[in-house]
This record gives sequence, structure tokens and C-alpha cells, in this order.
Amino acid sequence: QVQVVESGGGVVQPGRSLRLSCAASGFTFSSFGMHWVRQAPGKGLEWVAVIWHDGSKEYYADSVKGRFTISRDNSKNTLDLQMDSLRAEDTGVYYCARCRVAAGFNFYGMDVWGQGTTVTVSS
Amino acid sequence: QSALTQPASVSGSPGQSITISCTGTSSDVGTYAAVSWYQQYPGEAPKLKIYEVTKRPSGVSTRFSGSRSGNTASLTISGLQAEDEGYYYCSSKAGSFTLLFGGGTKVTVL
Repeated sequence: QVQVVESGGGVVQPGRSLRLSCAASGFTFSSFGMHWVRQAPGKGLEWVAVIWHDGSKEYYADSVKGRFTISRDNSKNTLDLQMDSLRAEDTGVYYCARCRVAAGFNFYGMDVWGQGTTVTVSS
Repeated sequence: QSALTQPASVSGSPGQSITISCTGTSSDVGTYAAVSWYQQYPGEAPKLKIYEVTKRPSGVSTRFSGSRSGNTASLTISGLQAEDEGYYYCSSKAGSFTLLFGGGTKVTVL
């Protein structure tokens, strides 16, 4: 079935790095843009980053720009989020999500979500 | 950019209709037909309920409908059921390559 599964979360000290991964299956991964969305404990959803289906473009929320890097490997059907210079406010559940429309219109809805992986930034 | 504005909570009795608003600006909700609505139960991932302002994904109940007037989008749930209780988030494209979410609305079925 169509699914995405996140991994790589954990506890990390402020200023350190962590790399999250998202494994996709059941669909043609290379045809869809992908997002990372996060949710701080007890808070709402916050968009983090998007990458085009072919990896040609990537965009970030101001809160993570310059610290996080989104990437993908279409040969392995995987999406990554490299998180550097982590801060306490980066704590939360990180979801990867598929763009609803293949090859374009990357901001017009996310129709497949993983269960999330938890990141805790604490000393 | 600031988050889109949603009421913190909305409640209704079974069978009633409720409407959740999502207020943005002319730079996001008012310009792009890229408003989506998500339902989230505690501890679970969000689920897409409405996309492109008014469209329902396959499998989503016709009790869910979306609309927009100016810079405010709305989600209406008709024939409210116990299973509709949860959190609802709107999102909109903002600027060329940014996405904004609303702060979320807790729906309570009385």
C-alpha cells in the first residue's frame, strides 16, 4: 500500500546535528514532491521544507533556513532531512508527507503522511 | 510570515453543522487556490480532508465541505458525528514557495 515511514529521531544536545529519513513505498516516489512538517509538543503543525519530485528545487521555512537541508534519493525511494545547529525549539514530531499532485503544484495538499519521528533537543 | 488564524475551539451537538474559519491575507488565502484542511486525532498523523479550497479527496465524507470568501477560508462539517471530534488545521500557499498552517481548531462534539 501507499505509505511513508520516518526514522532517525532521538534525543540530541543543543547545537548538535541529527538526520531524519523517510522511506516511501507503494507509489512512484520520483513523481512526487515531498514535504517535512513538524509539530512541537501540544502545538500545531509547522511546515519545514519541500523538495521537488526530481530534487531540482528545495524551499524552507524561515525558522530552519540555513540550518536544515532536505534531500532525496529517487533510486532508493528515500527522503532525508539533515538538521544542524539544533535548538530547543526544534523539538517535536517530524512528519514526511507526499504532495497530492505529481510533478508540480507542490503546495496544493499533502495526501500521504507518515506516523512521524520524535526529535528532542535537550541538554 | 505569521500563521493563519483559526478559532481555538468549536463545538456542536450531533447532527448539527459547524464551521471553522481560517483567516489569512491577500498574500496567501486570498490569492492562491491552494487552501487545504487536515483532520488530526491526538497521537496520530494528519489526514487530508479538503484541497484546493473546495475539493474532497476520494473517500472523504460529503459532510465535509470547503469554501472561501476574500482572505478567509472555511471548513463546514454537516451532520456532526462523534468521530469528527479532533483537531483541524488549514494550510495555504504563501508567496511563491512557502506554506503556512493555521494554529488549529479543536472540535468538540457535545
